[in-house]
Amino acid sequence: LAKTTQPPSMEAYEGQEVNVSCSHTNIATSEYIYWYRQVPHQGPQFIIQGYKDYVVNEVASLFISADRKLSTLSLPWVSLRDAAVYYCIVTDILLSGSFNKLTFGAGTRLAVCP
Amino acid sequence: EAAVTQSPRNKVTVTGGNVTLSCRQTNSHNYMYWYRQDTGHGLRLIHYSYGAGNLQIGDVPDGYKATRTTQEDFFLLLELASPSQTSLYFCASSAPLGTYEQYFGPGTRLTVL
Repeated sequence: LAKTTQPPSMEAYEGQEVNVSCSHTNIATSEYIYWYRQVPHQGPQFIIQGYKDYVVNEVASLFISADRKLSTLSLPWVSLRDAAVYYCIVTDILLSGSFNKLTFGAGTRLAVCP
Repeated sequence: EAAVTQSPRNKVTVTGGNVTLSCRQTNSHNYMYWYRQDTGHGLRLIHYSYGAGNLQIGDVPDGYKATRTTQEDFFLLLELASPSQTSLYFCASSAPLGTYEQYFGPGTRLTVL
C-alpha cells in the first residue's frame, strides 16, 4: 500500500476555499485515492474518491496530478462545520483479500476561523 | 443514509474486567470493522468480518476477540481489559469489495482503570 504524506495542520477563514494536499509518491496503478474527514466526537465520514484527473461531488472536488503522485482535496467556501481532520487514504482495490481495508494516517487538522 | 449504531457510548471498567462493545448496522452491508483511535496513532484496525460467522484479524488484534452473530451485529470483546485498551472505539460497515466507502458509528469511549 502506498504511503501518504499530508500537512499536519491548516487554518482558514470562513468563506475561503481550502486545498488540502496529499503526496503518494509510490502509488501503484491499481490503487485508488480516498478522502475522509472526522469532526470531533464523531466517526470518520467519506468525502470523495478518485483514480485520476478530476472528480467533483456536492461536497468537494479532487484533483489528481498526471503522474498520480499528488492529490489535492478542494473544499469551496469552508464554514465552521468544516473544521475537522482530513484523511487521505490510498488503497489497492484489486488486492485479493483486502476486504476494503483502509489505513488511516494522522491526517490534516483543519481549523476554521470566523 | 447508512446507519451504524454503537453501544454503550461510554464505558468504564477496571483492569481485568470483561467488556463487550456492540455494533449494529442497518445498511445490509456485508463488511463490518472494529477500529481503535488513540492520539498519535490515528485509526487502527482491530478485527473485521465479511459476514455472519466470519472473522478476520486486523492490524492490532492482541487482547481483543470479536464475533459477528448476524449480518447486522458485530461485537468486540475484551475479556481481560488492561489500561492500554483505554481508547475510542469505532465500528464501521461497507458494501461489497471495491467500493471502499465505509460508514462509521459514533464511537464508544472505553476507560480501563
